Parts: sequence; C-alpha cells; structure tokens
Amino acid sequence: DTAVSQTPKYLVTQMGNDKSIKCEQNLGHDTMYWYKQDSKKFLKIMFSYNNKELIINETVPNRFSPKSPDKAHLNLHINSLELGDSAVYFCASSKSTGVLGEAFFGQGTRLTVV
Amino acid sequence: GENVEQHPSTLSVQEGDSAVIKCTYSDSASNYFPWYKQELGKRPQLIIDIRSNVGEKKDQRIAVTLNKTAKHFSLHITETQPEDSAVYFCAASTRGGNKLTFGTGTQLKVEL
Repeated sequence: DTAVSQTPKYLVTQMGNDKSIKCEQNLGHDTMYWYKQDSKKFLKIMFSYNNKELIINETVPNRFSPKSPDKAHLNLHINSLELGDSAVYFCASSKSTGVLGEAFFGQGTRLTVV
Repeated sequence: GENVEQHPSTLSVQEGDSAVIKCTYSDSASNYFPWYKQELGKRPQLIIDIRSNVGEKKDQRIAVTLNKTAKHFSLHITETQPEDSAVYFCAASTRGGNKLTFGTGTQLKVEL
C-alpha cells in the first residue's frame, strides 16, 4: 500500500509546454513538500505546504505553481517548460509542524524537457 | 536560512571496513537531523535520525552522533556490505519542521 505516490513516473515534453505532476499521500500527514533533484543529485526544496497552506516557497520561478486541494494532495503545475527544468521531482510528506518526524518520499518523476 | 554542508562527496571503502560521513549545519534552531539513503533510481529513504536532545543513537550497524555546540553530526556505518553502496544525504529540520534542508550527498561505494 503506497504511502506517497506521484504520477507520472516519467515525463518527456518539449520546451514551452505546460505539464502537471500529481502527488497523493495516505499517511494522514498534514505537511507536504516538493523537492527537485538535479543531475548532481542535489535535493533542493521547492515548496512546503501545511494543512493546504503554502509555508515555504524557495525562490522558485512563478512558472511553477503548486496546488493543494486537500491535506492529502499536492500537485505541481509547470508552465512554459525550459531545458533547465529537466530533473527528478520528488513529492514528500511528514507529520505536522512542531512534531518533527520522518519525511516520506514518493518514487519521483523524471522530467525531461527536449 | 539553513545551510547544510556534507563531506566527503564520494567515499570508497572495502567490504567490512567502516564508513564515516560528516555534516555541519548553520542554524542553531535546527533540532532534528535525519539521514537518508538513496539507491540508484529509487527514492530517498530514512535510515536513522537524531534529535537535538540526544548526543548519539545506534541502530545495528549504523550510528549517528550530534555535537550541538559545534553544529555538526556524523553517520557511522560499520562492517560495510556491498548493499550499503548508495548516495547518503544528511538533513536538518528547522522552522518548526516545515523545511528539511539536505546536504549535498555522499556517494558511498563498498568494494569487494
């Protein structure tokens, strides 16, 4: 029973296109994140949501727009895709603010922009 | 904001030897320090974590130490095995747990 699932696993698209990645968690967590992992394996936080509210936006271009319809979902929409957006995007979730705990990651979405 | 530095970036050891990976953090308010293992093509997964009120924690062949004064923490793997080969990330949690800042990763290779 998958804890954090994201779709699609692979995404190949042309420059200028708009694409979305979906993420869902069934752990009852109320904090969710998007991380970007580049070719050098750096894991960089993009967004953090707590109870559907945006908590952290790490100077991500506004072409990236996260949406959290409820606590269990955090989707990522990317407009006008650029070559530099190619990376693996990980969704993650953890327990609520103040209760520091393990972050569970989805399986990742490998985005390739051509 | 928080900055986490991790060394070394690559580490090769012989099977059975020990491996040590070190991290430093900048935000004295950070109080949760997990370590993640990421195998090739897989998601990062927690292997051990430590909270700021503890100096050391051990789980079988892996242990983590924390020095709050110096703001550094380390991962120790003893009796390494080929299946320990992976990228290891340290992290520090700050801002009430809403942000987990990762180190740059260590590629560990355990050679037969």
